[in-house]
Amino acid sequence: AQTVTQSQPEMSVQEAETVTLSCTYDTSENNYYLFWYKQPPSRQMILVIRQEAYKQQNATENRFSVNFQKAAKSFSLKISDSQLGDTAMYFCAFMNTQGGSEKLVFGKGMKLTVNP
Amino acid sequence: DTGVSQDPRHKITKRGQNVTFRCDPISEHNRLYWYRQTLGQGPEFLTYFQNEAQLEKSRLLSDRFSAERPKGSFSTLEIQRTEQGDSAMYLCASSQAANNSPLHFGNGTRLTVT
Repeated sequence: AQTVTQSQPEMSVQEAETVTLSCTYDTSENNYYLFWYKQPPSRQMILVIRQEAYKQQNATENRFSVNFQKAAKSFSLKISDSQLGDTAMYFCAFMNTQGGSEKLVFGKGMKLTVNP
Repeated sequence: DTGVSQDPRHKITKRGQNVTFRCDPISEHNRLYWYRQTLGQGPEFLTYFQNEAQLEKSRLLSDRFSAERPKGSFSTLEIQRTEQGDSAMYLCASSQAANNSPLHFGNGTRLTVT
């Protein structure tokens, strides 16, 4: 079974600074996808960024980028120029594409607070 | 695109009662997922439909839980004989039937069993 571990339960950062959220996962599969989702307080979960395991190039979406280390099974999220609106729970998630099941396996999440 | 809609937003019920939640996915999405999220945890997979077919159920989904998607559009999740341990946020998500198609989540239904 796949597992996703987010070891930092909470972080805070000053506005405009850069912050990195860590995530490790465990799988025996070779083909899969990794995701970071954001869940603002009392609001719905939204996709921040995704990475295909077969791609060596790290995904980037504006201020959000990942550091994907397949051999180490590590998938960290870097948020540059943090904004107050980035305050949220952040969940790392894994999706196995083998065998037809495309469910997401989530980590426990990390609470990020961006301070003015 | 009105997004994934869930109803009700909140439900308070007494232990032993039955509850039913509804999810309306994004109209062109044929995959629909139910997840459960307890305080301080990430969402946990419950079940998944492709069109009207329920293709996978988690072991978390005890026999008190049943989900349906009769016409391949909206879905219902029913919990019979609720227990206090069922208190959680129940999230619905939908996606298109394509690899790597992102999941779009609803706002969830928060269930409190007293």
